[in-house]
Amino acid sequence: NAGVMQNPRHLVRRRGQEARLRCSPMKGHSHVYWYRQLPEEGLKFMVYLQKENIIDESGMPKERFSAEFPKEGPSILRIQQVVRGDSAAYFCASSPESNYGYTFGSGTRLTVV
Amino acid sequence: AQSVTQLDSHVSVSEGTPVLLRCNYSSSYSPSLFWYVQHPNKGLQLLLKYTSAATLVKGINGFEAEFKKSETSFHLTKPSAHMSDAAEYFCVVSDLTGANNLFFGTGTRLTVIP
Repeated sequence: NAGVMQNPRHLVRRRGQEARLRCSPMKGHSHVYWYRQLPEEGLKFMVYLQKENIIDESGMPKERFSAEFPKEGPSILRIQQVVRGDSAAYFCASSPESNYGYTFGSGTRLTVV
Repeated sequence: AQSVTQLDSHVSVSEGTPVLLRCNYSSSYSPSLFWYVQHPNKGLQLLLKYTSAATLVKGINGFEAEFKKSETSFHLTKPSAHMSDAAEYFCVVSDLTGANNLFFGTGTRLTVIP
């Protein structure tokens, strides 16, 4: 079992570009969670998805951020028109069912220049 | 509402001496509590978790934590620090009956002095 796979590991974008972060959950896991870690801070919840459904997006910024988890393929966190403040580590976690226990990926470190 | 307070942002110990990383939580419901470790530029690894079974929880790499409801604490301990323990440690609370997300503390950076 390859675990939760996130790619790319590092992503550099210029201000105004789009960033796409991918997360492939562990085999058999149908629940995906995205967290953001700003420098010198703990992780903060962004969004919780099941296949083809957004269950809880209470932690997502209202603009420029979106997430999906299609029937086939990885979950995608999309940030449009990135700004310097979006620079952070974005972690994905998955679980086989809700509140069961999370496995985290190694994260994608986004740098906006 | 759930929240976690990690009382020390940095802890420094000598190799071979005990480790104590402090954590206090706030939860409206019966909480689940976790400790995660993050090595530099790595992902998060689960050290241990408490989910209303035994109050003393043993984790990986010799770490353990004790859930004390009267003190709302879940401190992480290890009898003897190893150089490889140097990392960032996060205390995390989750509410089993509420939203499906974890609340992280701000982390404690552990330094181990040779």
